[in-house]
Amino acid sequence: GAGVSQSPSNKVTEKGKDVELRCDPISGHTALYWYRQSLGQGLEFLIYFQGNSAPDKSGLPSDRFSAERTGGSVSTLTIQRTQQEDSAVYLCASRSSGGETQYFGPGTRLLVL
Amino acid sequence: GENVEQHPSTLSVQEGDSAVIKCTYSDSASNYFPWYKQELGKRPQLIIDIRSNVGEKKDQRIAVTLNKTAKHFSLHITETQPEDSAVYFCAAGPTSGTYKYIFGTGTRLKVLA
Repeated sequence: GAGVSQSPSNKVTEKGKDVELRCDPISGHTALYWYRQSLGQGLEFLIYFQGNSAPDKSGLPSDRFSAERTGGSVSTLTIQRTQQEDSAVYLCASRSSGGETQYFGPGTRLLVL
Repeated sequence: GENVEQHPSTLSVQEGDSAVIKCTYSDSASNYFPWYKQELGKRPQLIIDIRSNVGEKKDQRIAVTLNKTAKHFSLHITETQPEDSAVYFCAAGPTSGTYKYIFGTGTRLKVLA
């Protein structure tokens, strides 16, 4: 079946611009996570959605970062006034209710010039 | 806060030798410990996982061991092959009162032919 998809696969933007990254989770998965992976680094937790519950935003690095999940499915991660240090791969993962395994999307590679 | 330490950060082995990667976690509430393999430019993919009620799990050339008392878990790859070359991440979770999983910083494994 279809896995987690993300778009765009690559995004180049200028410092100060806003960007939106999209994640389509596996159909029926109620949990959705966003992570940031800087070059050669591990996976940094950003935000977590579970069904209709309030999201866990504890990993967002600044108020320039926000995310929403509409209709319990697609999620959008928005970075406002991008900075060069925001350059990274942004990974999305989804998990079924009651399951433990997170399934990752291919990521969006963001480059801020 | 919650933390997962992973060692070594890089590991080179000769083809056919074994590779061992170790992780230590801090949150005693964690009860699920997955390992992901990430090839260059690809998404992380689950290769094996273990739950806290089990001490060891094996799948062909891959095995994982868990010591809950010491909060240690390890990945063992036997008879390594060049296609095992990748970055491996461990994770522990969920953390107390949340559905967050904390990832290690990754181990870059190189299998030399």
